[in-house]
Amino acid sequence: KAGVTQTPRYLIKTRGQQVTLSCSPISGHRSVSWYQQTPGQGLQFLFEYFSETQRNKGNFPGRFSGRQFSNSRSEMNVSTLELGDSALYLCASSLGLAGIVAHEQFFGPGTRLTVL
Amino acid sequence: LAKTTQPISMDSYEGQEVNITCSHNNIATNDYITWYQQFPSQGPRFIIQGYKTKVTNEVASLFIPADRKSSTLSLPRVSLSDTAVYYCLVGANSGGYQKVTFGTGTKLQVIP
Repeated sequence: KAGVTQTPRYLIKTRGQQVTLSCSPISGHRSVSWYQQTPGQGLQFLFEYFSETQRNKGNFPGRFSGRQFSNSRSEMNVSTLELGDSALYLCASSLGLAGIVAHEQFFGPGTRLTVL
Repeated sequence: LAKTTQPISMDSYEGQEVNITCSHNNIATNDYITWYQQFPSQGPRFIIQGYKTKVTNEVASLFIPADRKSSTLSLPRVSLSDTAVYYCLVGANSGGYQKVTFGTGTKLQVIP
């Protein structure tokens, strides 16, 4: 069974640009969550999508958005990039029927975003 | 919103049992407690999950006291390959705009 895949693995952008990251969940998983990981703030929850609807949301500004497609693949978009957005962005998939934490989450390898 | 606290780092010799505690004083009634392991350049990997009392699987045990304000991950007989960062995660088990909180992570170094 294929794991969670994220593309691209590495990305370099400049301030003010926007970026789109992609996540393909494990087959059969309907929930996709996104996390930001930085040395200073650790792992922070961005949002979760289930059946194409945003079901949970963390405490991030509106520049961070996402969507989920009918095949459960998800994209995350960050507009007007800031230096502080440099981070490892992780996505995780799960069955999700009873919410995020009730199920084991399977994480992808992450996308390393560097903002110059 | 559950806030979690973990020790920043721990050292242990191979073959010893390691206990890592996570404090979550304002855990909500519906919150589950989950532990993940993360190696460098990889995403976190699920270890164990519990709600109350004790849970055991093939790799670890999770102890949760009656008040649920803390939890302890127990790794029996650690090996060098257990060197990693361990995170506790506290979050609701139902949908809706509940926030999901990861602990600060504990870097475990296993010494030969």
